Amino acid sequence: TQLLEQSPQFLSIQEGENLTVYCNSSSVFSSLQWYRQEPGEGPVLLVTVVTGGEVKKLKRLTFQFGDARKDSSLHITAAQTGDTGLYLCAALGTGTASKLTFGTGTRLQVTL
Amino acid sequence: DSGVTQTPKHLITATGQRVTLRCSPRSGDLSVYWYQQSLDQGLQFLIQYYNGEERAKGNILERFSAQQFPDLHSELNLSSLELGDSALYFCASSVGGGYEQFFGPGTRLTVL
Repeated sequence: TQLLEQSPQFLSIQEGENLTVYCNSSSVFSSLQWYRQEPGEGPVLLVTVVTGGEVKKLKRLTFQFGDARKDSSLHITAAQTGDTGLYLCAALGTGTASKLTFGTGTRLQVTL
Repeated sequence: DSGVTQTPKHLITATGQRVTLRCSPRSGDLSVYWYQQSLDQGLQFLIQYYNGEERAKGNILERFSAQQFPDLHSELNLSSLELGDSALYFCASSVGGGYEQFFGPGTRLTVL
């Protein structure tokens, strides 16, 4: 069973600051996804990374997949209050079944 | 709006009871997944169905069962409910066993 540890667990910052969230495992991932979940709603997929060393940018969000495919990071530049939420990384299973194993989550609060 | 619908939104019941949660996937999606989210366990995969057939099983208790019907909607049945079953239950769908899963808004179950 893959275990995905995220750090930090909680992060409270002011608008305009930069931050990085980490997702780590002792196992190699075939691919990894990042989700954001807002209170009372389901997770929403932000990005999927599949290649070691891959970097993807989504406006102010930068996602990186580690070279060894055991870790990933999410960097947010100039955070906004709308970035507030629970950020989850998730590893996708191999084979025909596509079950996701979710990380422990990072709860981000951005204040004015 | 992900296109995945779940009913009911909230459910309050007593220990020992049985409930049924319902999920309608996005139009065209053949796979349905069920997840449980609790404060202490995070988001956990329960079970996946693909076009009516069970495809993968996760940490699903024997008291829980699911099925996917010919019209592709799915139901999750929870029986002999315990206090610890109180959680958010999410349904997700995808086209096949693909990467992108779309989550519904969830059903919040409270067992008193």
